[in-house]
Amino acid sequence: KNQVEQSPQSLIILEGKNCTLQCNYTVSPFSNLRWYKQDTGRGPVSLTIMTFSENTKSNGRYTATLDADTKQSSLHITASQLSDSASYICVVSAYGNNRLAFGKGNQVVVIP
Amino acid sequence: ETGVTQTPRHLVMGMTNKKSLKCEQHLGHNAMYWYKQSAKKPLELMFVYNFKEQTENNSVPSRFSPECPNSSHLFLHLHTLQPEDSALYLCASSQDPLRGTEAFFGQGTRLTVV
Repeated sequence: KNQVEQSPQSLIILEGKNCTLQCNYTVSPFSNLRWYKQDTGRGPVSLTIMTFSENTKSNGRYTATLDADTKQSSLHITASQLSDSASYICVVSAYGNNRLAFGKGNQVVVIP
Repeated sequence: ETGVTQTPRHLVMGMTNKKSLKCEQHLGHNAMYWYKQSAKKPLELMFVYNFKEQTENNSVPSRFSPECPNSSHLFLHLHTLQPEDSALYLCASSQDPLRGTEAFFGQGTRLTVV
């Protein structure tokens, strides 16, 4: 079983609408959690990184939340734009090793 | 631009060919990684290099052979690949692998084995 589970697997939203992506993880001991955006055929680019003590972090129209007690994170996209169409990958790092646990990604398609 | 450059961006090769993927990072990082990304699957870690030394080989078949001549360059030599090896191969670098510091990814090489 993957240590990082993301939902929904794919999502279609209208331009201008908001959406929320979910990430549940079992990685322990927890070090940090990152959300990456990956455009088709390109490498992932970091959006946010959060450590144990951080609950919310924003990057423009992207807002990530973290509940380290329940081991859940979410990524909220506000006022979506066509350029937000991409795969959003949740990545969790365990403390003390070089392992990154990757989710399969949330595939978001924004339509006009 | 993330500071990690991969070449070529696309590669089509036959099963009997030998080719190499190149990765270069301009971030002064100490660790470099190769990942494989297949459709509808999470990124799979292949190799980790820290200060030019291989610290992890994630049970990768010997038809994939990594080389790290210095901390800024990483190669992946390919020979006698199979069609199921077709995927996006991503290189990444980070400052400190043991502390889970942020990984910066290259644009990837889309490999097709025919």
